[in-house]
Amino acid sequence: AQTVTQSQPEMSVQEAETVTLSCTYDTSESDYYLFWYKQPPSRQMILVIRQEAYKQQNATENRFSVNFQKAAKSFSLKISDSQLGDAAMYFCAYRSLNYGGSQGNLIFGKGTKLSVKP
Amino acid sequence: DSGVTQTPKHLITATGQRVTLRCSPRSGDLSVYWYQQSLDQGLQFLIQYYNGEERAKGNILERFSAQQFPDLHSELNLSSLELGDSALYFCASSQSGGRSPLHFGNGTRLTVT
Repeated sequence: AQTVTQSQPEMSVQEAETVTLSCTYDTSESDYYLFWYKQPPSRQMILVIRQEAYKQQNATENRFSVNFQKAAKSFSLKISDSQLGDAAMYFCAYRSLNYGGSQGNLIFGKGTKLSVKP
Repeated sequence: DSGVTQTPKHLITATGQRVTLRCSPRSGDLSVYWYQQSLDQGLQFLIQYYNGEERAKGNILERFSAQQFPDLHSELNLSSLELGDSALYFCASSQSGGRSPLHFGNGTRLTVT
């Protein structure tokens, strides 16, 4: 079974600075998707960025980018120019592409709570 | 706005009772997923439906059941409620296939007293 680990329960960053959130995962599959979701105090789950495992190029979405290391099974999220609105819980998630069983389901890490200091 | 609608937003009920949570997926999405988020367990996958049929089951209790109707909306039924069932219940939807992302509703906050 696949597992997702976020080793940093809490992180803090100064406004306008850069922060990196860590995520590692365990799988025997070769094709899958990885995601970062943001959960602000409103409790919504907002998709931040996604990465296809067969793509070597790291995904970027404006100030958000990932460092995807497939061999190391690592998928970190970098937030540049941090803003107060980035304060939230961030969840790393894995999605299998194998048909049958739990295909399509997201497996989440425990989350990292990010605080942004003004 | 994700396009996924969950009702009600909040629900307060007593132990032993039964409740129904409702989810309307995004237009065009055939898959519906239910997740439970509690403080100590994080986000736990409960069950998935695809075009009316159960596709996958996760850590769903026998007291819980779900279904997806022909119009693709889904309901999660929770019965014989216990204090530990208090949690935020999310519904998510996606298009067919594993390459499309899941879009989450705003959740239903269930409080069992």
